[in-house]
Amino acid sequence: EVHVEESGGGMVEPGRSLRLSCTASGFAFADYALSWFRQAPGKGLEWIALTRSKIYGGAPEYAASVKGRFTVSRDDSRSLAYLQMNSLRTEDTAYYYCSRGSTVTGAKYYSDSWGQGTLVTVSS
Amino acid sequence: DIQMTQSPSSLSAFVGDRVTITCRASQSISTWLAWYQHKPGKAPKLLIYRASSLESGVPSRFSGSGSGADFSLNINNLQPDDVATYYCQHYSTFPMSLGQGTRLEIK
Repeated sequence: EVHVEESGGGMVEPGRSLRLSCTASGFAFADYALSWFRQAPGKGLEWIALTRSKIYGGAPEYAASVKGRFTVSRDDSRSLAYLQMNSLRTEDTAYYYCSRGSTVTGAKYYSDSWGQGTLVTVSS
Repeated sequence: DIQMTQSPSSLSAFVGDRVTITCRASQSISTWLAWYQHKPGKAPKLLIYRASSLESGVPSRFSGSGSGADFSLNINNLQPDDVATYYCQHYSTFPMSLGQGTRLEIK
């Protein structure tokens, strides 16, 4: 059974950093992309980042709201993905979700399995 | 960047009803569209991909249609378990984006 699970959330002061982890099981992790989404309080889901499989070059993609501050990475040997969040702002407060990205083209990805999310609170 | 607009933002219907949620893209996305169901405190769930392909394990009461810029999600024979917020998402190009969500309730 495919399973992804986020961890590493917590409370952090503005300007500080936090790293989230996404643990995956039940599939060939190296063959898939991993996407990160978030949901701020009272808001809808927002896609923020994706790390491609090395099969398709491994290049990351970012939403404008996090580009330059957040970095995605992956450790295929441990079936882990990471979201490094720097220069955090109060508006980054949200539940953060990771998901498996499925593709048949290597260029277009939808999320077919999601975790339950981890809460990040940015507050002084 | 492509913007996704869903309507309505909220919807209330009776058990057994057929409901339709629409999603419009700001430009053509062919059929690169997915629909998700999200219940509070739970993991979002993929319902439909490639605009009309039903994800494995999803009841056939759910169906998707459309291409280009206009899409719809239909739920036949509405059940109490369908109470959730529904999102469309384009994956035509980066950045990907989602609609603002449609909250579905039972009357």
